[in-house]
Amino acid sequence: DADVTQTPRNRITKTGKRIMLECSQTKGHDRMYWYRQDPGLGLRLIYYSFDVKDINKGEISDGYSVSRQAQAKFSLSLESAIPNQTALYFCATSDVAAGGEAQYFGPGTRLTVL
Amino acid sequence: QQQVKQSPQSLIVQKGGISIINCAYENTAFDYFPWYQQFPGKGPALLIAIRPDVSEKKEGRFTISFNKSAKQFSLHIMDSQPGDSATYFCAASSNPKKTSYDKVIFGPGTSLSVIP
Repeated sequence: DADVTQTPRNRITKTGKRIMLECSQTKGHDRMYWYRQDPGLGLRLIYYSFDVKDINKGEISDGYSVSRQAQAKFSLSLESAIPNQTALYFCATSDVAAGGEAQYFGPGTRLTVL
Repeated sequence: QQQVKQSPQSLIVQKGGISIINCAYENTAFDYFPWYQQFPGKGPALLIAIRPDVSEKKEGRFTISFNKSAKQFSLHIMDSQPGDSATYFCAASSNPKKTSYDKVIFGPGTSLSVIP
């Protein structure tokens, strides 16, 4: 987990507020991902980035935006938070050069929107 | 077609028993099948993975069995221990250099409890 870090680890915010979740990695991987985890639903992809200039929507991108500031940094923003965005958020990286899509996850950010 | 189904949703096993978690997929383009283990308060971590050119892969007490014709794969945990208590996710993906599918699809997860 130390290779992929996320800040903050916990965040409580109010409806309508803008918040940013940050992710940094020292693994040197090109690919980075943002997922949200909800009980019983597993991991759902919000956005993914294959390099600094290549950003793609995942299956649940509405209400979210991302920024890939550098190879090592990928931020997730909630422009106007709503209660159903309360979830556990994970950043991940992957190394295609290793021959597969093995993903390396950060420790997660627990977000509560009141 | 990109869905990965996983069962059971939760599993309770006695210490020393065998834990079995099953997954099924539909997209024949998938060619990489990892399992992830997640402890409370932590991110998922890669446990073991298999490619469809083999029917079984074993790493310690963890074994993946793969049935390509049935499009099913399963995780077996032998001699289950309380320390194995975690949530397990199966997943499927394809080599992004070969096909247009370039994301990992996760199953919904199985919560495993190993009781002493």
